[in-house]
Amino acid sequence: DADVTQTPRNRITKTGKRIMLECSQTKGHDRMYWYRQDPGLGLRLIYYSFDVKDINKGEISDGYSVSRQAQAKFSLSLESAIPNQTALYFCATSDTNGVQPQHFGDGTRLSIL
Amino acid sequence: QKEVEQDPGPLSVPEGAIVSLNCTYSNSAFQYFMWYRQYSRKGPELLMYTYSSGNKEDGRFTAQVDKSSKYISLFIRDSQPSDSATYLCAMSAASGNTPLVFGKGTRLSVIA
Repeated sequence: DADVTQTPRNRITKTGKRIMLECSQTKGHDRMYWYRQDPGLGLRLIYYSFDVKDINKGEISDGYSVSRQAQAKFSLSLESAIPNQTALYFCATSDTNGVQPQHFGDGTRLSIL
Repeated sequence: QKEVEQDPGPLSVPEGAIVSLNCTYSNSAFQYFMWYRQYSRKGPELLMYTYSSGNKEDGRFTAQVDKSSKYISLFIRDSQPSDSATYLCAMSAASGNTPLVFGKGTRLSVIA
């Protein structure tokens, strides 16, 4: 089983719908992150959480919200989806104690029509 | 100026070539440097992790950091078609209290 699991892997939906992307991890890491990846723009940080009670905005948080339900679970919501939110979304985790590399899930491909 | 600059490519090389991938950065507080490899339809995976200046070698891969020039490199020797992927650099200050800063990635194709 993957250490960082994202669901769903693919989603097609319509403008205005509420969407939730879920991430769960078995690595025991405290820190979790949500990114979106667009061609030519690279990875852009949406939100991150350094522990269950900590939520921080990233570079592009407008139009998104998150919930850290437990150490192992971090979900990303699009309250009212719009077409320019069509992208590849990645969840990542990292350990605490200094600078640690991030471990990524395999992404959710989201298309908003 | 972005904190981390990385040429997006694409870079196309013949099998067996030596590949050089590079990133420049502007924040002198960066001390930790990483390279990730991302295959199509997969998440990035950590390839190399270095601290401060110097070289680190792992098989066919060598990571090099020149802090005086704010320049990092990843060299791939004897490149293989299986090395075809997007390579992202990432870096962080010593505190570890902020997320990694990523380059946009360089797409590499190794042609058999």
